[in-house]
Amino acid sequence: DSGVTQTPKHLITATGQRVTLRCSPRSGDLSVYWYQQSLDQGLQFLIQYYNGEERAKGNILERFSAQQFPDLHSELNLSSLELGDSALYFCASSDGGQTGNTIYFGEGSWLTVV
Amino acid sequence: GQQVMQIPQYQHVQEGEDFTTYCNSSTTLSNIQWYKQRPGGHPVFLIQLVKSGEVKKQKRLTFQFGEAKKNSSLHITATQTTDVGTYFCAWGYTGKLIFGQGTTLQVKP
Repeated sequence: DSGVTQTPKHLITATGQRVTLRCSPRSGDLSVYWYQQSLDQGLQFLIQYYNGEERAKGNILERFSAQQFPDLHSELNLSSLELGDSALYFCASSDGGQTGNTIYFGEGSWLTVV
Repeated sequence: GQQVMQIPQYQHVQEGEDFTTYCNSSTTLSNIQWYKQRPGGHPVFLIQLVKSGEVKKQKRLTFQFGEAKKNSSLHITATQTTDVGTYFCAWGYTGKLIFGQGTTLQVKP
């Protein structure tokens, strides 16, 4: 158990819909990262927040947005869903905001778009 | 821009054989991390290498960081079925932690 909690574990939704994935970081961690993992794309970095502020941005689609709240939990919002958005979405956390920090992954949220 | 290749993409070995995965960068890396993801699981941190020429060992796993800090390897001696999974290298780039494509290891008992 990494200490990072993600909900929901599985989600099936239709194209065009919007979903919200939730992440609670490890106790004391200030950084939250979101990654997308699909079969043919490996682990793609989406976005990182540090203590409520956006720290780094990857190839995150405009249809996707994220935020980190004052209690440090984070949400990833995916809208106008397409079939290709089906993937495993991981949240990870670390205590610092630097890329040299070890990051701890949650168990992921499986999103299936039908 | 920076390019990092992780090879091979897949490796099938007989239990007891050795296994090595490599990450090769076109530019100098400040540090490199290695993660393991078991089938159906999430990536789990294994180790971080920071110094040029650094070698670290964890039981049957040996991690190396090249002298020029442009390449790294993970070597497993005498693989076991518990070693099955995907091994990722990861590095910092413009403030992001980027993961390699991973090497998926299958071990035949």
